[in-house]
Amino acid sequence: GEDVEQSLFLSVREGDSSVINCTYTDSSSTYLYWYKQEPGAGLQLLTYIFSNMDMKQDQRLTVLLNKKDKHLSLRIADTQTGDSAIYFCAERRPLTGKLIFGQGTTLQVKP
Amino acid sequence: DVKVTQSSRYLVKRTGEKVFLECVQDMDHENMFWYRQDPGLGLRLIYFSYDVKMKEKGDIPEGYSVSREKKERFSLILESASTNQTSMYLCASSKTGTGVSQYFGPGTRLTVT
Repeated sequence: GEDVEQSLFLSVREGDSSVINCTYTDSSSTYLYWYKQEPGAGLQLLTYIFSNMDMKQDQRLTVLLNKKDKHLSLRIADTQTGDSAIYFCAERRPLTGKLIFGQGTTLQVKP
Repeated sequence: DVKVTQSSRYLVKRTGEKVFLECVQDMDHENMFWYRQDPGLGLRLIYFSYDVKMKEKGDIPEGYSVSREKKERFSLILESASTNQTSMYLCASSKTGTGVSQYFGPGTRLTVT
């Protein structure tokens, strides 16, 4: 189908690791993105991964890509209350350049 | 830093009114986009533009039109607002090129009563 799928909600305790999962649809998608949306704000690019990579690490963030299963995940180490937000994954379709977004995962971090 | 600004953060309009949402970017980006965001549905593309005076329909263009008379400005028009157009509207821009990301404005929360 056309949909990029994410679970809608994740709750973790401060200091734990968070893992947000995403399943995308087009195996020819060239880039996959993670965006963060804080309350009342627009989307902010967190990180992205090119489709020929399996993993990308950027400080507390680790992106894993399983191209065979079309599965993308975002791991946040040592999750802080400031990480509470909605996280969107998006795939970039190669022919049109359009971004297709998932529904967004609301991450709740409890102190 | 790229800056994408939207004319209003909150807007309340009546059913049947004509509504204009304005978006301006300051980084000379060729591409501009309008999305609406609804809970559980993520972002859905309404219209986009690759250049001045050019526009392309996205996934949900019905009830909307757009205008791009200048490179930095992209307007979304609701010809006759309806209650099912109550939503968060997000504008984005990007340069043309492989792998480039889109930069988003802060959003306009529109309520149609």
